[in-house]
Amino acid sequence: KNEVEQSPQNLTAQEGEFITINCSYSVGISALHWLQQHPGGGIVSLFMLSSGKKKHGRLIATINIQEKHSSLHITASHPRDSAVYICAVRRGAQKLVFGQGTRLTINP
Amino acid sequence: GAGVSQSPRYKVAKRGQDVALRCDPISGHVSLFWYQQALGQGPEFLTYFQNEAQLDKSGLPSDRFFAERPEGSVSTLKIQRTQQEDSAVYLCASSTQPPGLAIEVPKFFGPGTRLTVL
Repeated sequence: KNEVEQSPQNLTAQEGEFITINCSYSVGISALHWLQQHPGGGIVSLFMLSSGKKKHGRLIATINIQEKHSSLHITASHPRDSAVYICAVRRGAQKLVFGQGTRLTINP
Repeated sequence: GAGVSQSPRYKVAKRGQDVALRCDPISGHVSLFWYQQALGQGPEFLTYFQNEAQLDKSGLPSDRFFAERPEGSVSTLKIQRTQQEDSAVYLCASSTQPPGLAIEVPKFFGPGTRLTVL
């Protein structure tokens, strides 16, 4: 079993829909990251969470430390949101352990 | 440039060939990370440098993989006697502070080098 599991692996939705991507992890962590990876490999860090909730524009990330679960939400989704979204947890001083990613496709 | 750059962007190697992948981190960034990302998978940690010191190389899959950062800026990941299973995108990332001083971990990723071993 992977230490970090994401669901769904693939998600297709229509423009405007509310999107939820889930991340569960099985180990103790000090922080959790949500990353966005565009075609061609470029990765952008969206959020770093250690508790609670963060919001940036149409993106919302939540984390429940007790349940070892985080969600990434996208409101009013747009085709430009199409990307792979990766959850990564920080263990120890420098290692990130990554989930497999969720491929999101938003159709116009 | 303003971001992390990697070269080459694409590399095709014959099995058994040695390859060298270069990473230019953002100027002044102390921490530098290398990751390997197989097709359809998330990145996996390979190694970490703080300045010129390689503090963690536990993710390197075999002794065919070697990384260096001799002057604490540019880093090179070398793969000797490449095998087909080495085919992946190799990502480099950098950040401003050593992870132990803050909860920051790499925010700035390069575009990656896609290695294909035939």
